[in-house]
Amino acid sequence: SAVISQKPSRDICQRGTSLTIQCQVDSQVTMMFWYRQQPGQSLTLIATANQGSEATYESGFVIDKFPISRPNLTFSTLTVSNMSPEDSSIYLCSVDTGGFPYEQYFGPGTRLTVT
Amino acid sequence: TQLLEQSPQFLSIQEGENLTVYCNSSSVFSSLQWYRQEPGEGPVLLVTVVTGGEVKKLKRLTFQFGDARKDSSLHITAAQPGDTGLYLCAGAQGGSEKLVFGKGTKLTVNP
Repeated sequence: SAVISQKPSRDICQRGTSLTIQCQVDSQVTMMFWYRQQPGQSLTLIATANQGSEATYESGFVIDKFPISRPNLTFSTLTVSNMSPEDSSIYLCSVDTGGFPYEQYFGPGTRLTVT
Repeated sequence: TQLLEQSPQFLSIQEGENLTVYCNSSSVFSSLQWYRQEPGEGPVLLVTVVTGGEVKKLKRLTFQFGDARKDSSLHITAAQPGDTGLYLCAGAQGGSEKLVFGKGTKLTVNP
């Protein structure tokens, strides 16, 4: 398993601004994932971030809106750019154990409210 | 189209009752995980099943993977208020490391 922390835990932001969410892992991992979750609902994968390569985005998510950095094997950031109220959600990062059966461990999430 | 259909979506029961949550698909999964999530926290991995027909027990929780690796169930015996939370199933397909999540079952156990 892995211990994952996220900063900030919550934020209230104004429309049109950007917020960068940090994800720190206590061990080196290859794959990191970023998800979005509406409270009480399921998870939607935004992108997969490998160290040393560009992030891979899922359908409906673009790099201009959600730029991701992965500077090393223990850290990643997700930026939510030019925010609108529709971006209000919980953002989660996760890592997998590396290799089959691809178990993922999640951070506590960042609750974002856009006004 | 939701690849993993989870049911029921909501479940409210009394302490001591038994319950089963289902996760179904028309697709085959190489592995399937169950997570529990409490408000304000990230999902926590409960179990992983990889072999068709596999049954795993975690105290009062029993997990089963279908013979064809297309479905799974979670059974809770004598539910307790501490079991309250959002239960999510998630599957991996082929060699992909990405997980497909079901929509979740929100369980409330009333004292």
